[in-house]
Order: sequence, then C-alpha cells, then structure tokens
Amino acid sequence: GEDVEQSLFLSVREGDSSVINCTYTDSSSTYLYWYKQEPGAGLQLLTYIFSNMDMKQDQRLTVLLNKKDKHLSLRIADTQTGDSAIYFCADYGSSNTGKLIFGQGTTLQVKP
Amino acid sequence: EPEVTQTPSHQVTQMGQEVILRCVPISNHLYFYWYRQILGQKVEFLVSFYNNEISEKSEIFDDQFSVERPDGSNFTLKIRSTKLEDSAMYFCASKMGLYSNQPQHFGDGTRLSIL
Repeated sequence: GEDVEQSLFLSVREGDSSVINCTYTDSSSTYLYWYKQEPGAGLQLLTYIFSNMDMKQDQRLTVLLNKKDKHLSLRIADTQTGDSAIYFCADYGSSNTGKLIFGQGTTLQVKP
Repeated sequence: EPEVTQTPSHQVTQMGQEVILRCVPISNHLYFYWYRQILGQKVEFLVSFYNNEISEKSEIFDDQFSVERPDGSNFTLKIRSTKLEDSAMYFCASKMGLYSNQPQHFGDGTRLSIL
C-alpha cells in the first residue's frame, strides 16, 4: 500500500538551514504537502508541491521533489527557535476521495 | 481566516462509554475527514465524507465508529463502547473541492483519553 517515511528527529542551531527529508511509495502521487504541528496544536499547512514541479520556494521555505527517487525535502533557511515543531510530509496519492497519507513526522529542535 | 474548530479539546471517558467528537468545518467546504494520531505514531486516515455519505473509510473505521453531519455546520465522529486503544488525538479536516491542489485544513484536534 501507499507509505510515507520520514526521519524522526533533527537538531540545528538557530540561524542554520534545516533540511527535512521524506520518501513516498505511490508513483501516481499528484500533490505532496508539508504540515507543521506545534505542541498541543493542530496541523498547519506550510506548503505543497505539484508532482510536475521539482522545486517550489516560499520565503524561507524551499521544497525539492525528486519524482524519480520519490524523495521530497523541506529546507528552512535561517531557522529560528519558533520553527521548533513536528513537520509532517503528506501524500495525496491516488485516492479519489482526497485522503492524505502522512509520514511519522520529524521533530525539529532549534537550539539558540 | 476561516478555520476548522473542534470541541472539546480534551475528552476523558470511561472504557465502554460512548463519545462524540464535534467539528465545525470551514463553511464553504464540501469534503470532510477524520484522522487520528496515537501518541508517538503517524497521523492515520479514518474516514472521508461527502454529500452526506461516507466516500472512503480505513480498516480502522469499523462498526464501532460512525460519522454524521446532523445540520449544515457540524460534522461529528461517534465512538461506541470505547476501548483503551481508542486513546489518541482525533483531527477533523475539511476541503473545498476534490482537486488535489486544494489542501485540507485541519482543526486543533480533540485529545481523547480512555480510562
């Protein structure tokens, strides 16, 4: 079945760049999403990329998609302590009902 | 900006009791979803709902679960005869249309604790 995998933890220093990686299995994926979850809060949509793109930039966020390798990454430039959260990769996949398949989330720790 | 709201934020229930989790999706959205996240695990799809009927459900969504849109604004998840393993964060989401470039918007979740 469809699956999405992420590394569990990333620690960076404030001001550095963070790169969070994700792999997915569904070759018919159309859109891939990044959501952010702060402690005790819901899932906040950060950005998304269409499968016919290989890069999307949105202010400090850069999404890179390698469709051949089914690899997605989220780069956060100039990482701030407020970026500390759990980041989820989600795949729209081939569902005709819009369900999302989530990775297990990457906890980003930003040290001052 | 319109948002999805969920109530209550935390629900504590005795095992075997019924619980209803409530959601108010964004008003012009047509597709509705429930997901759950057991502590430390992935966010898992439970069910999708459109045009007053279930459009897809996962194998988790067995006869213990039901969903309803009782009026034009609320979307509820009912869990009958709760079990300890139902303890999780439950997220409601809504989406305007089915096109994949229209993202799902999530509520802040209801933390369900079964004692």
